[in-house]
Formats: sequence, C-alpha cells, structure tokens
Amino acid sequence: DGGITQSPKYLFRKEGQNVTLSCEQNLNHDAMYWYRQDPGQGLRLIYYSQIVNDFQKGDIAEGYSVSREKKESFPLTVTSAQKNPTAFYLCASIRTGNPNTEAFFGQGTRLTVV
Amino acid sequence: AQSVTQLGSHVSVSEGALVLLRCNYSSSVPPYLFWYVQYPNQGLQLLLKYTTGATLVKGINGFEAEFKKSETSFHLTKPSAHMSDAAEYFCAVRASGGYNKLIFGAGTRLAVHP
Repeated sequence: DGGITQSPKYLFRKEGQNVTLSCEQNLNHDAMYWYRQDPGQGLRLIYYSQIVNDFQKGDIAEGYSVSREKKESFPLTVTSAQKNPTAFYLCASIRTGNPNTEAFFGQGTRLTVV
Repeated sequence: AQSVTQLGSHVSVSEGALVLLRCNYSSSVPPYLFWYVQYPNQGLQLLLKYTTGATLVKGINGFEAEFKKSETSFHLTKPSAHMSDAAEYFCAVRASGGYNKLIFGAGTRLAVHP
C-alpha cells in the first residue's frame, strides 16, 4: 500500500543532542513537508521541499535542518539550537502539478526532551 | 496571502446531535479548501475537499461541508454525532503561488458525550 512512514513513533532527546526524524513515502510525490504540532497551535510549517535537492524554510525553521537527496525521503534533524523541541512532528507529501490534490500525512513522531 | 480561522477551539455535543465546526478563510484567489481529522497520537486523515464545482461537498464518515464564497466560509457539519467522531478537526487552504503548501487553522477539538 502506498503511504508515508515516519519513524520512530516516540523519540527521547537529551539536552544538547541532535536527533533525526525519518520520513519515507512511496506515493511518488514530488513535494514533502514537515510540520510541528503543539497543543492549541495547529500545525506550523518547519521546512518543505518541492523537488529533490531543493528545500525551503517554513515559518519556524530555526533549530531544524533537512535534506532531500532522494525523492522518497525527507529526514528532519532537530538540532541542539532548537530550545523547545518537545512536540509532535508530522511529515506530509503532495502530488504537484494539480492544485486540488490533498496532502497525505504520516503517523507522526512524538519527541520529548529528557 | 491565504489564512484560515477556525472559530471555537473546543466544541462539545451530545451523541446524536448536530455537529457544526466553523471555518473561515482568506484568499485572494479561488481557494482549494480541505478538512482533516486527527485522532490522538496519529496523523491527519482527509475528510473532504472543495476544489471547483458543487459547493456542497460530501466526505467520509457522514461529514459534509458547504463552500460559501460570499461568507468566505467552509463549515463542516454532520447531522448526528457519534462517539467515534471525538477527535481534532483541521481546516486548511491550499496556498497559491505554486508553493503547494497547505495552511492550517488552529484546529477544533470535538467532544461527544452520551
């Protein structure tokens, strides 16, 4: 079945540590996105990529980094510069070229700083 | 620039009662609008979408939404709530300018009580 896989589902980070969240899709979508979700704040865009080897900052990119070396993969690294990383992270993808297509989401990764 | 406002961060209804979740959008171009549902610790699932054509859109699980251009609204309704409808609901608008982004509202948490 086609879809988006995020791993791990739960992740614990120590202070000052970098961690990487995985996002893989087999939908053949060009565009991929990372959102952060905090209670009462909806989804905020961290980074997005519309094509391999290209990505742009979203609204809250500070303290995060991404890469897009393959169409299927869009990993997110939460660096030590991100002062409040505890949140639920969602990866999504969209088929480009047709504006009425919806985004597909992974099941999310819950990151907790310990 | 597009934006989405969801009125009411929490809505509570009795089982069997009408569900009405409000969404207003701002867009300088014809919008593409979406409603998503999120169950605890899961990703987002598409309920329905409006692109062009019929203004009354039917989705999954008995939900529907009506696009009203004059009111810039896209409210979500369901005639009779079920306990399984308890979740968080997000309205989203597709950004213009070729960026293929979805802009989300802050979400509405629906509680259904017996």
